[in-house]
Amino acid sequence: DTAVSQTPKYLVTQMGNDKSIKCEQNLGHDTMYWYKQDSKKFLKIMFSYNNKELIINETVPNRFSPKSPDKAHLNLHINSLELGDSAVYFCASSQGYRGGEQYFGPGTRLTVT
Amino acid sequence: AQRVTQPEKLLSVFKGAPVELKCNYSYSGSPELFWYVQYSRQRLQLLLRHISRESIKGFTADLNKGETSFHLKKPFAQEEDSAMYYCALSVYNQGGKLIFGQGTELSVKP
Repeated sequence: DTAVSQTPKYLVTQMGNDKSIKCEQNLGHDTMYWYKQDSKKFLKIMFSYNNKELIINETVPNRFSPKSPDKAHLNLHINSLELGDSAVYFCASSQGYRGGEQYFGPGTRLTVT
Repeated sequence: AQRVTQPEKLLSVFKGAPVELKCNYSYSGSPELFWYVQYSRQRLQLLLRHISRESIKGFTADLNKGETSFHLKKPFAQEEDSAMYYCALSVYNQGGKLIFGQGTELSVKP
C-alpha cells in the first residue's frame, strides 16, 4: 500500500530516445509534482499539477511533457533525451497547493548514455 | 527572491556529539519551512515542519524570523542519523512548490 509509487525505478537509455516515467498516488491528494535531483543532489521543482491542470512549469525544456490523466496519476514524457537529463526524478503529492507536507515517491534514476 | 541556503555540504560528527544543520531563507512573506531527510538511495521523508513545533527522532528546529533561519538540532547524534538533510521553503500561491536548499550530508561516525 505504497503512498506514492513510480515506475520504472531505473532507466538507462541512449541519447535521442524518448522515454516515460509514471507516477501514481493513493493518498487522495489533488496536487502532484515532479522534481529533478541532479548529480550534486540538488532538488528543483519541474512541474506542479492540481486536479489534472498544470499550475507550475518551472522553465523546463519543451522536451519534457507531463500528463495527468486523473488526479491520482502524473506521468512525465521526455523526448530526444540528452546527457544532461541524467538525474533522479521524484514525483510528489500533497493535499492542495497552498503549502503543507508533500509525500515523495522513491525516485526514478535516469541514465542517458 | 525566494531562496534557501544550507551553507554546509557535509557535516561529520562522532556518535553522541551535538549536531546543528544550518538553514537560512530569503522570503518576503510569512514562511512555511520544512526539514526533509533522505536516507541512502531512499525517498525524501518529512522530518519536521516549523508550524508543528514538535521533536522527531530527537531533532528540533526553531524558526527565527529575525535571523531568517531554521536550523536543525539534535543534542546527541546517532549513527542512524547519517543521511542527506534538506531544508525547504513552501511558497504560498506559487503552486505549492518547495524551494530546497542545497542539502547537507550528515555523517555520524562511531
